[in-house]
Amino acid sequence: QSALTQPPSASGSPGQSVTVSCTGTSSDVGAYNYVSWYQHHPGKAPKLMIYDVSKRPSGVPDRFSGSKSGNTASLTVSGLQAEDEADYYCTSYAGSNNLVFGGGTKLTVL
Amino acid sequence: QVQLVQSGAEVKKPGASVEVSCKASGYTFTDYGISWVRQAPGQGLEWMGWISAYNGKTNYAQKFQGRVTMTTDTSTSTAHMELSSLISDDTAVYYCARDRGRQQLANCFDPWGQGTLLTVSS
Repeated sequence: QSALTQPPSASGSPGQSVTVSCTGTSSDVGAYNYVSWYQHHPGKAPKLMIYDVSKRPSGVPDRFSGSKSGNTASLTVSGLQAEDEADYYCTSYAGSNNLVFGGGTKLTVL
Repeated sequence: QVQLVQSGAEVKKPGASVEVSCKASGYTFTDYGISWVRQAPGQGLEWMGWISAYNGKTNYAQKFQGRVTMTTDTSTSTAHMELSSLISDDTAVYYCARDRGRQQLANCFDPWGQGTLLTVSS
């Protein structure tokens, strides 16, 4: 499978909202409601932020939200904080017990 | 607390094999799956495959089929990932992650291990 398409970078000022897109195909993002988003600070283990398109694990601030329309999923971070600066990766189930990752988006808090 | 602790850094020569282990604690090991993900220097995350800790069923990303073997040892709650015929491009940090799916990949990885650095160099 091809990787999901994410913008290489995104940015916003503290307190602002930013949305990161994740575009796949009708065989992955468009076919299943199994899209997840991971936050990755360099040198640390990735952290689950959103699963099943829009669900938040306990402990993840409600500033983080997820959605999907057609073949594109989105992660929105509201009320940006300095600690939100990280790399964000989307993933999607692609059928037959396969998974595909996005290329990652570097989120900068200005 | 739920925790995955991985084995230490490895240095291997091209053509060799490496095994990375991932010891789970804080939950019933056989109620979940384990996925393996790697990140090469300057690159993004790449899914390698998944194993059910319940029945040992595996699914490998096409790129790694024939070169990767994932196993679990339920007596020690440990998952293992062996990668053979190593090349320099396999230099990466390798992560294990608990997946919600017990018998099928569920794309819900939480938590992740701390990562294991593999360096492949002659």
